[in-house]
Amino acid sequence: EVQLVESGGGLVQPGGSLRLSCAASGFTFSSYEMNWVRQAPGKGLEWVSYISSSGSTIYYADSVKGRFTISRDNAKNSLYLQMNSLRAEDTAVYYCARFNLAANDYWGQGTLVTVSS
Amino acid sequence: IQLTQSPSSLSASVGDRVTITCRASQGISSYLAWYQQKPGKAPKLLIYAASTLQSGVPSRFSGSGSGTDFTLTISSLQPEDFATYYCQQLNSYPPITFGQGTRLEIK
Repeated sequence: EVQLVESGGGLVQPGGSLRLSCAASGFTFSSYEMNWVRQAPGKGLEWVSYISSSGSTIYYADSVKGRFTISRDNAKNSLYLQMNSLRAEDTAVYYCARFNLAANDYWGQGTLVTVSS
Repeated sequence: IQLTQSPSSLSASVGDRVTITCRASQGISSYLAWYQQKPGKAPKLLIYAASTLQSGVPSRFSGSGSGTDFTLTISSLQPEDFATYYCQQLNSYPPITFGQGTRLEIK
């Protein structure tokens, strides 16, 4: 059974940092591209970042470019999102999602990041 | 590429046939996916490649379209179908973009 489990969310002050993790199981993690997608409270879905299966290709949304860093450790079946210089508008539930069949076919349950003083 | 869904919200009854539209600001071939999201839950993939039903998704869901105009149809609404639906384009990225969502409510 495919499982994606996010962790690392919490309350952080503006300007602070947080590192999210996504633990993958039930599939060959190293064979799949991955995404981070977020959803602000009461709002729609917003794509945040993409990483290829090897980690050699990475993309970011303009809203997070220069502040967030996506990475993966295929040996540990884990995906990460390092978030620096956090702003109030980064407050959201962050989902990791597997990229397959030109879609995100499996999603984690999400982890809430709240940026507030 | 911007995606515009219509309507933004919709009231319907159990058994109704419902259609949601997603229009892309430029052609995206068939690289469009549809998701269903219920409150407090992660999105669930329904349709990929515009018209291919994801495994395990009921056959009352169908998708069509190519280029710039796409539709998601639910042939006979069931109580569990009341949710928010999103389209997503993966033809040209970055960025990967989502529509703004369509909230389907019980009439």
